[in-house]
Amino acid sequence: SQQGEEDPQALSIQEGENATMNCSYKTSINNLQWYRQNSGRGLVHLILIRSNEREKHSGRLRVTLDTSKKSSSLLITASRAADTASYFCATDFTGANSKLTFGKGITLSVRP
Amino acid sequence: GAVVSQHPSWVICKSGTSVKIECRSLDFQATTMFWYRQFPKQSLMLMATSNEGSKATYEQGVEKDKFLINHASLTLSTLTVTSAHPEDSSFYICSARLAGGGYEQYFGPGTRLTVT
Repeated sequence: SQQGEEDPQALSIQEGENATMNCSYKTSINNLQWYRQNSGRGLVHLILIRSNEREKHSGRLRVTLDTSKKSSSLLITASRAADTASYFCATDFTGANSKLTFGKGITLSVRP
Repeated sequence: GAVVSQHPSWVICKSGTSVKIECRSLDFQATTMFWYRQFPKQSLMLMATSNEGSKATYEQGVEKDKFLINHASLTLSTLTVTSAHPEDSSFYICSARLAGGGYEQYFGPGTRLTVT
């Protein structure tokens, strides 16, 4: 079954605005990762946050993790038209032979 | 670095035939590779985990006799869809994890399979 659930499912913003996407999950995790997928293409790894971390930055990306609420957020600041894509959170369970479980994804449209 | 390729990028085949998809890690060794399928506007569903030199571990509901996975080397894994049917039409994506590396997975560009 799906572990991560993102919201909103679709987001449309103006270029220059910030985009915030949320992800909730159900069980204990080792880490949570965010990926981007352009239409019909493979996934690009954006950022990984470990279960003992609360916030992480990478360029215009800021990820937070609240393990007590089992939720994460991805903030893209000063969005650009090129940020238009689908964004997925993926959880990596605690334990050996870890594997990723993806959420349903968020479709972000950035209007120029 | 950490580039994963897939071949072919798209394939059309007739119902009943078999199709092989290759996944290669180009500049790193991957002890573990993963195979996913993705239907239009949906998420990725893990099909199987492939470890070099051993049998793949399939997810519940995935037929191992239909989706044959071979991970013969540290840089190559193959997925063969046997006796393909139209319902097997999908986007198949592989990923690889660095040998001895962290938890990140590096994804291939995907293979679009259409079964007519």
